Amino acid sequence: SYELTQSPAVSVALGQTATITCKGDNVGSMNLHWYQQRPGQAPVLVIFRDGSRPSGIPDRFSGSNSGNTATLTISEAQVGDEAAYYCQLWDRATAQVIFGGGTQLTVL
Amino acid sequence: EVNLVESGGGLVQPGGSLRLSCAASGFNFRMHMMHWVRQAPGKGLEYVSSIKTDGHTTYYASSVKGRFTISRDNSKNTLFLLMGGLRIEDSAIYYCAREGGDYGGFPWWYFDLWGRGTLVAVSA
Repeated sequence: SYELTQSPAVSVALGQTATITCKGDNVGSMNLHWYQQRPGQAPVLVIFRDGSRPSGIPDRFSGSNSGNTATLTISEAQVGDEAAYYCQLWDRATAQVIFGGGTQLTVL
Repeated sequence: EVNLVESGGGLVQPGGSLRLSCAASGFNFRMHMMHWVRQAPGKGLEYVSSIKTDGHTTYYASSVKGRFTISRDNSKNTLFLLMGGLRIEDSAIYYCAREGGDYGGFPWWYFDLWGRGTLVAVSA
């Protein structure tokens, strides 16, 4: 079955740029989406279809997807960005939604 | 206000059944594919099931196929998940979520609106 691999944890200094990756076989050929989940809250969509932002999501959040790696970039990181981030796609071959294991972002 | 509110969670014994509901408001429910996603305590997100607008086309994770049934009542703006043969590993917060969009009737398979979830605990 298809797998998406994320690093369990990433840290970033306040005001700097955080990079969170999601690796999968030829993931660049699929539509990849990202969610933010703060502790005790429901997930929130932050990037869809690789690099599009829903209304209300700051342009500090951006995404890219190519080859075997998709990337979520958070510029000017703020304390409020501390959360778990999950990547997700639809695997057409197995007709399954696949989530990555999640990356916990810490802002130092 | 656009909103999804889940209900029906609770404590159930292994092998038991439970029906979850998700009440939608503030948008045209019948026009959106809907999904269920769960999260075990301290764990990541796990896909459960989806249903298209017609109420007949459904999808299930392999872990729940044959035990769970997704349905919807477009006249009542409500999504359901009937869970049977419950196992301890089914214990989780269950979220309902709205499909973000489609292209020519084919969904993009992302979730742009989530409820706050309802907790299901399976224990003897």
